[in-house]
Amino acid sequence: KQDVTQIPAALSVPEGENLVLNCSFTDSAIYNLQWFRQDPGKGLTSLLLIQSSQREQTSGRLNASLDKSSGRSTLYIAASQPGDSATYLCAVKGGSYIPTFGRGTSLIVHP
Amino acid sequence: SAVISQKPSRDICQRGTSLTIQCQVDSQVTMMFWYRQQPGQSLTLIATANQGSEATYESGFVIDKFPISRPNLTFSTLTVSNMSPEDSSIYLCSVSPEASYNEQFFGPGTRLTVL
Repeated sequence: KQDVTQIPAALSVPEGENLVLNCSFTDSAIYNLQWFRQDPGKGLTSLLLIQSSQREQTSGRLNASLDKSSGRSTLYIAASQPGDSATYLCAVKGGSYIPTFGRGTSLIVHP
Repeated sequence: SAVISQKPSRDICQRGTSLTIQCQVDSQVTMMFWYRQQPGQSLTLIATANQGSEATYESGFVIDKFPISRPNLTFSTLTVSNMSPEDSSIYLCSVSPEASYNEQFFGPGTRLTVL
């Protein structure tokens, strides 16, 4: 059974800081790992998808890395902005193609 | 990618009634997923729905309480039956198209409040 843990659970930072959000998983036999953003009361928006054969993906100010052997992924947010305030979720997909979600990191970026 | 719409976006319902949530996808997909997100919690998978077969329910969820229809490859419904306040959640439809390397896409969610 795959367990996904996200640290920290909550983060409050001033605008402009570079951030690292962490995701760890217990079973390294994964198909892919995906990072999502969720605004309050809304659905999930896909940010980055990393296949098991890849080490990282980048989109704008976001960079996600994957280390399968150690069961870890990090989401790096550069030069944070108030609009980045949201909950960030990590999901790991194995052979069943059904993702297992972490509990998320709640981020507040204040001006 | 896949674009998913859900109806209704939100509803307030009385205890004991039922609500049917619709999910429409802009492309044909094999598997559709229904999730529940209770206040302050992460996502919990309710069931997986394949076209032409019975939905597969996760532990703790039963067909009598959450009947699902999947009449074609672009549409599904989830009914929340005999509702109680504990059913107050966001319900999310999701797909994972093989053509998109199994990237997971989510609808905007249905915010349900049961009084």
